[in-house]
Amino acid sequence: SQQGEEDPQALSIQEGENATMNCSYKTSINNLQWYRQNSGRGLVHLILIRSNEREKHSGRLRVTLDTSKKSSSLLITASRAADTASYFCATDANTGNQFYFGTGTSLTVIP
Amino acid sequence: ETGVTQSPTHLIKTRGQQVTLRCSSQSGHNTVSWYQQALGQGPQFIFQYYREEENGRGNFPPRFSGLQFPNYSSELNVNALELDDSALYLCASRPRMGGNEQFFGPGTRLTVL
Repeated sequence: SQQGEEDPQALSIQEGENATMNCSYKTSINNLQWYRQNSGRGLVHLILIRSNEREKHSGRLRVTLDTSKKSSSLLITASRAADTASYFCATDANTGNQFYFGTGTSLTVIP
Repeated sequence: ETGVTQSPTHLIKTRGQQVTLRCSSQSGHNTVSWYQQALGQGPQFIFQYYREEENGRGNFPPRFSGLQFPNYSSELNVNALELDDSALYLCASRPRMGGNEQFFGPGTRLTVL
């Protein structure tokens, strides 16, 4: 079974708008990561946030983590058509050697 | 620096056959993980190898097995293929155990007929 679930399953926005997607997970973690996948190919790492961090920024990306609620959010600001992809959160379930991915959010940015 | 590579890109097999998928880790990475991604789903963890030893396994039957070689390249073997094994198989490498980002290869698309 999957550790995490992303919400919404699909999101469609206009170029320039912000996109927010959420991830919920089930067990305690060491860290949570967000990945992007284009057209069923390999995943690309976007950002990692550790369990003792609450917010992290990288370029147009902002990630928050609430360990009390076992949830995280990914905000992409000023979206571009090139941001169209599926986005997954991944947690290590406190094992350090097993990573569990959610079901993903499919983002479409309309030019 | 060479990224993670996988071969073959696509593969078609029939039910009951055996398949071997290959992965070359990114230079300097000694940890490799394999994932199965069914259409429309997130990647599911199969197993992980660290310094040629399996040190983590997901909920997959024993007919899924692997190897990691001294040069840290890796193989995923699947015996007695079933229709449900049709998926994208991804390998990912990391420079060391614990807490690091994973670098994914482009995947092998396996179709079982």
